[in-house]
Amino acid sequence: DAGVTQSPTHLIKTRGQHVTLRCSPISGHKSVSWYQQVLGQGPQFIFQYYEKEERGRGNFPDRFSARQFPNYSSELNVNALLLGDSALYLCASSYDGLNTEAFFGQGTRLTVV
Amino acid sequence: AQRVTQPEKLLSVFKGAPVELKCNYSYSGSPELFWYVQYSRQRLQLLLRHISRESIKGFTADLNKGETSFHLKKPFAQEEDSAMYYCALNTGGFKTIFGAGTRLFVKA
Repeated sequence: DAGVTQSPTHLIKTRGQHVTLRCSPISGHKSVSWYQQVLGQGPQFIFQYYEKEERGRGNFPDRFSARQFPNYSSELNVNALLLGDSALYLCASSYDGLNTEAFFGQGTRLTVV
Repeated sequence: AQRVTQPEKLLSVFKGAPVELKCNYSYSGSPELFWYVQYSRQRLQLLLRHISRESIKGFTADLNKGETSFHLKKPFAQEEDSAMYYCALNTGGFKTIFGAGTRLFVKA
């Protein structure tokens, strides 16, 4: 198992555009969480999905949305990109999203110009 | 508000010296605390969690509810301990709150 995989690894977008980031969890894991990590800060929780349902979201605007597919992979979508959306976006998978260890992907580095 | 504070952005120690990375949290209930580590060019990974009460790579962390702290300690630092360390708080649900991180640099 390759672990949690995220694509793409790097991305450059222009203000106002839309972006889709993808995450494939570890086989057998049913939960995916998304985090935003701005330079110099720790990861900040955006969403968690479990069994294809949104379990919770952090303090992010409605421009941010996500979904989880039947194979438990997930997409994070961000509309109307702002310069401040430039960050490392991390995906973490775990079996249940609550009490079991979360495993992180390598992240997608998004730069908005 | 629920918050995790790591007061040191950078901690530099000599090899063989003791290490303590500080973490304070703000939460009125029963917290679950974690330390995550990120080595150079590697992904973020769990180092230890307070409920397991185990020592990983020589590191230990004790939850002090009175002082709302969860400091990470190691008696003798190794060069391979150089990494970014994040303290994290889970309040019993799906959301994990991370601190800003402390970069540990162990000098030869």
